Amino acid sequence: DAGVIQSPRHEVTEMGQEVTLRCKPISGHNSLFWYRQTMMRGLELLIYFNNNVPIDDSGMPEDRFSAKMPNASFSTLKIQPSEPRDSAVYFCASSLQANTEAFFGQGTRLTVV
Amino acid sequence: DAKTTQPPSMDCAEGRAANLPCNHSTISGNEYVYWYRQIHSQGPQYIIHGLKNNETNEMASLIITEDRKSSTLILPHATLRDTAVYYCIVRVAMGYNYGQNFVFGPGTRLSVLP
Repeated sequence: DAGVIQSPRHEVTEMGQEVTLRCKPISGHNSLFWYRQTMMRGLELLIYFNNNVPIDDSGMPEDRFSAKMPNASFSTLKIQPSEPRDSAVYFCASSLQANTEAFFGQGTRLTVV
Repeated sequence: DAKTTQPPSMDCAEGRAANLPCNHSTISGNEYVYWYRQIHSQGPQYIIHGLKNNETNEMASLIITEDRKSSTLILPHATLRDTAVYYCIVRVAMGYNYGQNFVFGPGTRLSVLP
């Protein structure tokens, strides 16, 4: 298996623009997690899905952030409008079940200027 | 907040065993201990996990104290490629609220020296 695939690997955008990050989980995995990593705050869990249903989005910083999982093989994290403080590395992870080990993608490095 | 405490940094000589401690004094009976590592610019990588018995796989060994309040990750023969930040996480294995328990703290930055 190719592992968790995220795209794009790097994104540079201007403040106010919409940004969409994409994730393809490992085939057969039922749980999907979105994390954000910054130097100041470390790794933060934003939201996780189980069987395509959002279970806990309490980590989503504000209404500008939204995440969807339309099917078992695809998820998006959208920021609209983007702000410079959203600059971070965003990781997607998936696990076979919600209570098993998670495998991470290589991340998307987002820079908002 | 993370439920674990780890030293911020450690050094280890190449070829020697690296022993990374983790304190989880408030661990509950249904919580597992997980270890991940993150090599610079990469996504976190799963290493090993355990409940109360010692565990070993091709990457590392996990030693959990009898009272489960602390554990040690052992890399038996550290190489330069093991230089990374190592995260110890306690996580509920049963129930529905899994995500809240998958919390990464600052971890231990391990430097393997030649």
